[in-house]
Amino acid sequence: DAGVIQSPRHEVTEMGQEVTLRCKPISGHDYLFWYRQTMMRGLELLIYFNNNVPIDDSGMPEDRFSAKMPNASFSTLKIQPSEPRDSAVYFCASSAMGNNEQFFGPGTRLTVL
Amino acid sequence: AQKVTQAQTEISVVEKEDVTLDCVYETRDTTYYLFWYKQPPSGELVFLIRRNSFDEQNEISGRYSWNFQKSTSSFNFTITASQVVDSAVYFCALSIHGSSNTGKLIFGQGTTLQVKP
Repeated sequence: DAGVIQSPRHEVTEMGQEVTLRCKPISGHDYLFWYRQTMMRGLELLIYFNNNVPIDDSGMPEDRFSAKMPNASFSTLKIQPSEPRDSAVYFCASSAMGNNEQFFGPGTRLTVL
Repeated sequence: AQKVTQAQTEISVVEKEDVTLDCVYETRDTTYYLFWYKQPPSGELVFLIRRNSFDEQNEISGRYSWNFQKSTSSFNFTITASQVVDSAVYFCALSIHGSSNTGKLIFGQGTTLQVKP
């Protein structure tokens, strides 16, 4: 079975540009999570969805960040405009139920110059 | 508030040594879940174990074992006879059961384990 798929794996962009990160969860999983990992802040939850509906976006740092889940097999995390401090590894994860183990994608390493 | 503390930032051992990674959590909830994840140098996060708050049985999986003690709010992870391939960052995490919190993983800062040949 395919795991969580993320694209792109690496993204280098310039400050002010729009960045879109993509995620395909494991088929049949009802929960999808977006995390960010930095040296300073560690792993932090940005937002999560249940059955395509955003449940908690309190971790989204600012209005420049937005996330959508138009269907059960696809989600996007968009940053517009991007800033150097957004540089991080962004992980997508999915789980079958709320408190089940979450399976993580390989991550997208974002560098904003 | 919920919190996970991994006091050991880095641990270095020689191959075949046993090593224990500490994890202390804080929560006022009675129903919660504890997890361990491994992040090897390649960067992906690999699920290792999930334990609910009502199950204090220790668990062993090959060279890995976990000790859950509610009395001390700890969920420690021991690797027996460590190997170089165990070198990674290990994260302990906490999830609270509840309508507004379901699924939110709160991670510790991680412990970097280096196993030398």
